[in-house]
Amino acid sequence: DVKVTQSSRYLVKRTGEKVFLECVQDMDHENMFWYRQDPGLGLRLIYFSYDVKMKEKGDIPEGYSVSREKKERFSLILESASTNQTSMYLCASSSLTGSGQPQHFGDGTRLSIL
Amino acid sequence: AQSVSQHNHHVILSEAASLELGCNYSYGGTVNLFWYVQYPGQHLQLLLKYFSGDPLVKGIKGFEAEFIKSKFSFNLRKPSVQWSDTAEYFCAVNSGYSTLTFGKGTMLLVSP
Repeated sequence: DVKVTQSSRYLVKRTGEKVFLECVQDMDHENMFWYRQDPGLGLRLIYFSYDVKMKEKGDIPEGYSVSREKKERFSLILESASTNQTSMYLCASSSLTGSGQPQHFGDGTRLSIL
Repeated sequence: AQSVSQHNHHVILSEAASLELGCNYSYGGTVNLFWYVQYPGQHLQLLLKYFSGDPLVKGIKGFEAEFIKSKFSFNLRKPSVQWSDTAEYFCAVNSGYSTLTFGKGTMLLVSP
């Protein structure tokens, strides 16, 4: 079965800290995604990657960066955390094969910035 | 840019009532459409998807959705809801390459 694993379910950090959120998938998927989920706003795409060392900005990339050094791992980095980045962060992956492949999601990381 | 509109933010139903959640999208070309569900404390799961062919698609747990191209709609339906259907439901559209554009979600509460 498809498995997307996010390293932490809950995380509390301080303003100004550099924060790393890790995501690993075991399906050999080419595509990986980072979203944030906020009440009333749905899911908004931060960054995605379609190959190792490749990255593309999503709809809300400001204040974030990503790293994809290995195919199975996609990291989201908050360069200098701010309180408005308190949110639920979701990682997803999908196969490149064929069009419109569904995305498979991890359990999410609830991040609080104090 | 692609956009997805879900008409209801909150829906409250009694068990055995019928459900219809609205979803409209803006893109006029070929689309792939999805409904995801997020049960309390769980990850998003795929309910059903439409790529091509029969516009009435059936998913898991008795859900179905109908793609009406002329109305840019992909409404989710279930004839008789259960308490266990309490969850948040998201409509999503494939907006080119492999990215999805999600609606803002509809929270469904089913009272026993």
